[in-house]
Amino acid sequence: KQEVTQIPAALSVPEGENLVLNCSFTDSAIYNLQWFRQDPGKGLTSLLLIQSSQREQTSGRLNASLDKSSGRSTLYIAASQPGDSATYLCAVRGAGGTSYGKLTFGQGTILTVHP
Amino acid sequence: KAGVTQTPRYLIKTRGQQVTLSCSPISGHRSVSWYQQTPGQGLQFLFEYFSETQRNKGNFPGRFSGRQFSNSRSEMNVSTLELGDSALYLCASSYPAGEFDEQFFGPGTRLTVL
Repeated sequence: KQEVTQIPAALSVPEGENLVLNCSFTDSAIYNLQWFRQDPGKGLTSLLLIQSSQREQTSGRLNASLDKSSGRSTLYIAASQPGDSATYLCAVRGAGGTSYGKLTFGQGTILTVHP
Repeated sequence: KAGVTQTPRYLIKTRGQQVTLSCSPISGHRSVSWYQQTPGQGLQFLFEYFSETQRNKGNFPGRFSGRQFSNSRSEMNVSTLELGDSALYLCASSYPAGEFDEQFFGPGTRLTVL
């Protein structure tokens, strides 16, 4: 059974800092990994999608890497801003076993960027 | 292009009742997935529909069911509601419904069971 873990659970940083969020997963049989952002009481906003054959994806100040063999992904946020404050979730799409085709989510990292 | 829409946005029900939630995917998307989000369990996969057929299913009791219509709109039904069913229910759509596709989520339906 696929399990996804995100570290740290919460992070508070001053504006302007570069930061790294970590995601690990137990089963390397995945189709892709997706990073999302969720604001309180709202739905999920897709940030980046990395296919299993890719190593990284970039969008603006965001960069996500994937090391499928070791079961790890990182989300790098450059020059953080107060508007980045949200919960960040990673999810993997299973490619085998009972996780086939399903998105399995981590518990999220709650990010607070203070002015 | 309009995003994924869900109705209603908020619902209050009592134990034992049943509820139906609706999801309209992004135009052209053919796959719709449903998720339950609670503070204790986080986000959990319920089921996925493609071309009016359930393609995948999570580990939820039979009280949770769904369907998809020919226009790709989907409904989710929960019968005999329990207090533990209180959650944010999210649906997501993707195109062209392959395993490699990015999922786009709606704003969710907040269900409260009293």
